[in-house]
Amino acid sequence: DADVTQTPRNRITKTGKRIMLECSQTKGHDRMYWYRQDPGLGLRLIYYSFDVKDINKGEISDGYSVSRQAQAKFSLSLESAIPNQTALYFCATSHGPPRTDTQYFGPGTRLTVL
Amino acid sequence: RKEVEQDPGPFNVPEGATVAFNCTYSNSASQSFFWYRQDCRKEPKLLMSVYSSGNEDGRFTAQLNRASQYISLLIRDSKLSDSATYLCVVFLSGGYNKLIFGAGTRLAVHP
Repeated sequence: DADVTQTPRNRITKTGKRIMLECSQTKGHDRMYWYRQDPGLGLRLIYYSFDVKDINKGEISDGYSVSRQAQAKFSLSLESAIPNQTALYFCATSHGPPRTDTQYFGPGTRLTVL
Repeated sequence: RKEVEQDPGPFNVPEGATVAFNCTYSNSASQSFFWYRQDCRKEPKLLMSVYSSGNEDGRFTAQLNRASQYISLLIRDSKLSDSATYLCVVFLSGGYNKLIFGAGTRLAVHP
């Protein structure tokens, strides 16, 4: 079984719809992250959480919100989807700080906003 | 200017070839460096960390040049299975405390 799972894997939606992307992990890591990947750009951090009570904005948080329901679950919401949020979204976890620790990524969610 | 820049490629090489990728970073506060590998339509996975003295893992060698602010990845004896996109990743400290991902360099190894 995969250590980091994401649902759905693919989603097509319309402008203005609310969308939730879910991430679960069985690695027992405290730290969880949401990234988006666009062609020609590196992964960019949307939000991150170092434990259940700690939520922080990344570099591109506008238009997104998150919920850390448990140590193992971290959800990303698009309250009102817009076409430029079409991207590949990755959840990641790490045991320790990003300065030294490996980021373990989920398989990704391909989101298309029409 | 991007904080982490990579030649997007693709680098098309035959099996057995040696290929090198460079990555430049703009912020001298960069503290840690990594290479991740991403297969087509898959998630990135850590290939190796890059240490100041350089490090090797089998056919892969990573080098860091702090003075010139670049990192390199050398792959010897390329295999078909090495075909992927290689992401250069830099950790910025000093108040930034974040990972910066390069857009990646695509490698295609052909028979």
